[in-house]
Amino acid sequence: QMQLQESGPGLVKPSQTLSLTCSVSGGSMSSGNYYWSWIRQPAGKELEWIGRIQLSGTTNYNPSLKSRVTISVDRSNNQFSLNLRSVTAADTALYYCARSPGHGYLDCWGQGTLVTVSS
Amino acid sequence: QSALTQPASVSGSPGQSITISCTGTSSDVGGYNYVSWYQQHPGKAPKLIIYEVTNRPSGVSNRFSGSKSGNTASLTISGLQAEDEADYYCNSHTSSTTLVFGGGTKLTVL
Repeated sequence: QMQLQESGPGLVKPSQTLSLTCSVSGGSMSSGNYYWSWIRQPAGKELEWIGRIQLSGTTNYNPSLKSRVTISVDRSNNQFSLNLRSVTAADTALYYCARSPGHGYLDCWGQGTLVTVSS
Repeated sequence: QSALTQPASVSGSPGQSITISCTGTSSDVGGYNYVSWYQQHPGKAPKLIIYEVTNRPSGVSNRFSGSKSGNTASLTISGLQAEDEADYYCNSHTSSTTLVFGGGTKLTVL
């Protein structure tokens, strides 16, 4: 059974770039026609979809974040990454990575990693 | 893109049924049969409970069911149990080839 695990710095300074990696284990990212997504959730608030990537490199981003987000994939290491530029306190959240086997539903999630933006 | 609209909270007694609505537009919920629902307990990652409007993943109780009419999707939980107390989120594919979540609904089992 595939498992996802987020990793990265828990503290990022304002105006800097937030960088997270999602490592996929228990199977190859290439084993199916999957989309690989990032989602975030500020404390006590709702889920917000950030964006996704296919192994082909095709990406889709939330329009509200598109100007600051880049999602990339590293097939050789079975992982994908999130870069969010010019962060502010509003980007403080629990960040999840997840897998989509089809049009939109997210069937496998990581446990989440907390990122705090603060000086 | 605007978040899908869900009631902030619903409640029910054990054994009862409740329904959570999720309202979008013809560019998301109404335009595609790609609505999914997630259950999130405190401190846990969301769990998929319904996909493509009506389908249940393996292992999800048949007390959970989904439907859609026009621009509104619904999640019904029958035979409420204490363990169902959680936050529930809907999600939809959009015409912009993105995903959008609802604002979430807190279910309280009285």
